[in-house]
Amino acid sequence: KNEVEQSPQNLTAQEGEFITINCSYSVGISALHWLQQHPGGGIVSLFMLSSGKKKHGRLIATINIQEKHSSLHITASHPRDSAVYICAVRSWGGGGADGLTFGKGTHLIIQP
Amino acid sequence: ETGVTQTPRHLVMGMTNKKSLKCEQHLGHNAMYWYKQSAKKPLELMFVYSLEERVENNSVPSRFSPECPNSSHLFLHLHTLQPEDSALYLCASSQEYRDLVRSPLHFGNGTRLTVT
Repeated sequence: KNEVEQSPQNLTAQEGEFITINCSYSVGISALHWLQQHPGGGIVSLFMLSSGKKKHGRLIATINIQEKHSSLHITASHPRDSAVYICAVRSWGGGGADGLTFGKGTHLIIQP
Repeated sequence: ETGVTQTPRHLVMGMTNKKSLKCEQHLGHNAMYWYKQSAKKPLELMFVYSLEERVENNSVPSRFSPECPNSSHLFLHLHTLQPEDSALYLCASSQEYRDLVRSPLHFGNGTRLTVT
């Protein structure tokens, strides 16, 4: 069974700070997703990674397959980045019927 | 606009009521999903439909009854719920079932359900 652990669970930072959210998993995966959930509830897919690094605007996602670890970075953070960030992994033959195992999420608050 | 629309956004119901949640996707996707999100817990998959056929039922109590009349619409019928069923219910779609490497999930905004 794949376990997905995110850290930290909660993070409060000042506007402009560099933010790092971590995700660790226990078994081999075919892909890792980073999702963003705003207070209204809707979830948006930010990145899908199977190796290396991806960048979109101020967001950067990296994955280390050997260490079974991924990080999501936010540069020049802004209050509108305040959200819950969820890591989800697609295991080889594991996970639920959708093939995904979700982390509990990291609740990020950026203060002005 | 996410392409996946859920109604209502909020719902309060008593334990003896019957209500339905609705989900509609405008993305031409073949697979649709219901997820439950409770406080401090990971997303839990409830049901998956692929091309209008139910693919999986993740041991969900029978007081939750899904319906998928066509590939664009998904319903979750609720009856005799318990207070512990209070949660955010999220609908999602993807181009293909289980091909989440090439076809990621697109989520709706969810229905916040409170059972009193």
